[in-house]
Amino acid sequence: NAGVTQTPKFRVLKTGQSMTLLCAQDMNHEYMYWYRQDPGMGLRLIHYSVGEGTTAKGEVPDGYNVSRLKKQNFLLGLESAAPSQTSVYFCATGTDYGYTFGSGTRLTVV
Amino acid sequence: EDQVTQSPEALRLQEGESSSLNCSYTVSGLRGLFWYRQDPGKGPEFLFTLYSAGEEKEKERLKATLTKKESFLHITAPKPEDSATYLCAVQVIRSGNTPLVFGKGTRLSVIA
Repeated sequence: NAGVTQTPKFRVLKTGQSMTLLCAQDMNHEYMYWYRQDPGMGLRLIHYSVGEGTTAKGEVPDGYNVSRLKKQNFLLGLESAAPSQTSVYFCATGTDYGYTFGSGTRLTVV
Repeated sequence: EDQVTQSPEALRLQEGESSSLNCSYTVSGLRGLFWYRQDPGKGPEFLFTLYSAGEEKEKERLKATLTKKESFLHITAPKPEDSATYLCAVQVIRSGNTPLVFGKGTRLSVIA
């Protein structure tokens, strides 16, 4: 989607491996979010940030870490991947008037 | 706990057959209710924001309405290209930023 870019789009990890998902936005928004989407579970908030240098936990933060060193970038890290982290990950940025989502990262942990 | 429940989980319509999707919510205080459309393999796409009971918004064949406990997304004379998953989300009134809480979505299929 215009304004929010996620990389990579697909990834397969082995249990115990680590990786970082990158979200970049060019909309100059303060707020950024990481959600995961699983069948039958809807979108669940992992972590979010209300500005450069700030992060906060969402509904399902365990097993993930985040960093917001620059306003335009929000990184999601998995230190030791587990099969339960197989999911589609969406980054979003926005205001109180609505969010813009990226196109997602499909992650499989085997 | 803030909750958002969408029904039905899935809906199959014939082209031209109008219907409504429901989003009921339980929150301490509503700042806004959001509707999104999601196509397979893509991120959610913003449709509407509603802020107060009685408010209505329209876009092509879609009309969203809001009461104090639920929202409806009315689809008039749907076409196959309206097939998608429709997501409802709420933002709760609290100090500072409060992220959206999403329902599980309604998967709509429109058959020609």
